[in-house]
Amino acid sequence: AQKVTQAQTEISVVEKEDVTLDCVYETRDTTYYLFWYKQPPSGELVFLIRRNSFDEQNEISGRYSWNFQKSTSSFNFTITASQVVDSAVYFCALSAYFSNQFYFGTGTSLTVIP
Amino acid sequence: KAGVTQTPRYLIKTRGQQVTLSCSPISGHRSVSWYQQTPGQGLQFLFEYFSETQRNKGNFPGRFSGRQFSNSRSEMNVSTLELGDSALYLCASGGQGTDTQYFGPGTRLTVL
Repeated sequence: AQKVTQAQTEISVVEKEDVTLDCVYETRDTTYYLFWYKQPPSGELVFLIRRNSFDEQNEISGRYSWNFQKSTSSFNFTITASQVVDSAVYFCALSAYFSNQFYFGTGTSLTVIP
Repeated sequence: KAGVTQTPRYLIKTRGQQVTLSCSPISGHRSVSWYQQTPGQGLQFLFEYFSETQRNKGNFPGRFSGRQFSNSRSEMNVSTLELGDSALYLCASGGQGTDTQYFGPGTRLTVL
C-alpha cells in the first residue's frame, strides 16, 4: 500500500526564517516517484518538484531545496529565507512507476508572518 | 501553453440532484485525473482517463463516474448528490507514464 505522512499540520515562521516541511512515505515498490505541490488560497495545486526513486541527489531551486533519503523514506522540503508569498498549504505526493494515480499527504499549512 | 481549465468554478446543488463537471487538459496531454479535496479526507484520487479509457479508479461509489472525449477533454458526473459530496474537485492533466500532473483551479461544489 502507498502512504504519505506529513506530520506537521501547521507551521508558523517569521519572515526570513528557514523552514523545513517533512514528508515520510511508505511503498513496497522499488520504483516510484515523489512530488511536492503548493496550494495557495486560490486552490490550484502548483507543481514544485518531481523526483524518481533512483535519483537521491538533493535539489536546489532558488530558495527551495529538497532532501530525498531512501534509507529513511523521507523527502523533505526546505524554504530558505521565507517570504510572505510562501504562505500556502504544501502537499507531498507519491505515485507508482508508470502510474498517474497520486497518493497525497494531508498537507502542511505554512504561514509566514511579516 | 494554456493551463488546465475547469468549468464551472463554483456550483451549488441540492441533495438528490446530479452534476457534471468539465475539464480541459493542457494541449497534448492525454491523461486526465480527477481528485476530490475535503477538509476531513484531504486529497483523494477519483479516477484517471487516458485516450478515452479509464485507466485507474479510486475507492468511490458508483455515483461518481467520468468519461473522456477524443480531444482529451473530460467530464465527471456525480449522481444523487449527498451533503458529503461538497468538496473542491480538482482535475489534473499529464502525459502517458508517471508524468508530472498539472492541476486546474478546481470546481467548488456545495451540496445543500
